[in-house]
Amino acid sequence: DVKVTQSSRYLVKRTGEKVFLECVQDMDHENMFWYRQDPGLGLRLIYFSYDVKMKEKGDIPEGYSVSREKKERFSLILESASTNQTSMYLCASSPMTIETQYFGPGTRLLVL
Amino acid sequence: KQEVTQIPAALSVPEGENLVLNCSFTDSAIYNLQWFRQDPGKGLTSLLLIQSSQREQTSGRLNASLDKSSGRSTLYIAASQPGDSATYLCAVRVGTYKYIFGTGTRLKVLA
Repeated sequence: DVKVTQSSRYLVKRTGEKVFLECVQDMDHENMFWYRQDPGLGLRLIYFSYDVKMKEKGDIPEGYSVSREKKERFSLILESASTNQTSMYLCASSPMTIETQYFGPGTRLLVL
Repeated sequence: KQEVTQIPAALSVPEGENLVLNCSFTDSAIYNLQWFRQDPGKGLTSLLLIQSSQREQTSGRLNASLDKSSGRSTLYIAASQPGDSATYLCAVRVGTYKYIFGTGTRLKVLA
């Protein structure tokens, strides 16, 4: 079974803090994704990576950066957290063909 | 611009009923369409994937259909059970790595 794990289920941070969200997959997938999910807006793609050290911006990259130093690990960084980044963050991975994505359990982030 | 809509936003049915969830999309240029299940506070689990050249896919009590020309997909759940209670999302793949997700239908199956 594909397993995608995320470092935290719940996080509470203060405005202005630097926040790291980690995602690890164990299936040797080439592609990894970070989404945020908000009520009424569905899932929106923040960043995508198709290989180590390679990344592409998604629909809403502002205020975020990513890092992929190893194939199995994809990190999302909030450089200076703001209250409008309070959301559910979902990581996903897929093989090169991207026929389907496998999602992690999500991290619910609250920025105060 | 592709938009994916799921109506209704919420649905309650008694156990044992057959039900249909709807997904509509505005642009027929899609690679595939996927149905996901999301339990409260959890990630998404893929249920069925339909390629753009296919009309339907089946898995157990689930059957998904795709009509690209009309921009519609349905997810049919037979003999619903309380364990089917979850939010169901559809997503269309529109690019190399790009999926557009609907906002989901929250299903409650009453025992």
